[in-house]
Amino acid sequence: DAGVIQSPRHEVTEMGQEVTLRCKPISGHNSLFWYRQTMMRGLELLIYFNNNVPIDDSGMPEDRFSAKMPNASFSTLKIQPSEPRDSAVYFCASRTGGPRQETQYFGPGTRLLVL
Amino acid sequence: QKEVEQNSGPLSVPEGAIASLNCTYSDRGSQSFFWYRQYSGKSPELIMSIYSNGDKEDGRFTAQLNKASQYVSLLIRDSQPSDSATYLCAVGTQGGSEKLVFGKGTKLTVNP
Repeated sequence: DAGVIQSPRHEVTEMGQEVTLRCKPISGHNSLFWYRQTMMRGLELLIYFNNNVPIDDSGMPEDRFSAKMPNASFSTLKIQPSEPRDSAVYFCASRTGGPRQETQYFGPGTRLLVL
Repeated sequence: QKEVEQNSGPLSVPEGAIASLNCTYSDRGSQSFFWYRQYSGKSPELIMSIYSNGDKEDGRFTAQLNKASQYVSLLIRDSQPSDSATYLCAVGTQGGSEKLVFGKGTKLTVNP
């Protein structure tokens, strides 16, 4: 199994530009999570999906952030327009559904730098 | 706002010693608790989960849970340099483990 796949692995962009991060969850997993990690705030949940449906987006910082999951094998996190304070590592994670199916498998992350 | 607090660290122990990592949480309704390990520049990986009060052992790792005190700990026996990493405590919310709240982590260094 290839694990959770994220692209790009690194992204450097200028303030005001649109950024799109991509994630392919592990096949058969029906929950997908987007996290952001910074030194100041640690690992924060942004949004999660069950069966491609957004369940909780209360962690999305503001309207500049949006996430979609058009099918079971693909999700995107978009930032438009990007700002320097968005610089962070963004992780995607997936897991199977059901009780006690708690293990979230994390992708390698996308390191985003907004200049 | 549900919170998870970890001892700030960094924590440094000699090789072969016991490393003790602590975590407290604010949501009394939490039912599931996890320890993740994150090597520098890598993604978090699950090393232990615990749901009931008491101890749970897995090799050199022991997780301890006290729901009354809202306290979780991780003990690493016979610490090895390869255990040097940041350890993240995570607590499941919403009555299950679907949504996790993470602590900021404790950086552990095991000195040869």
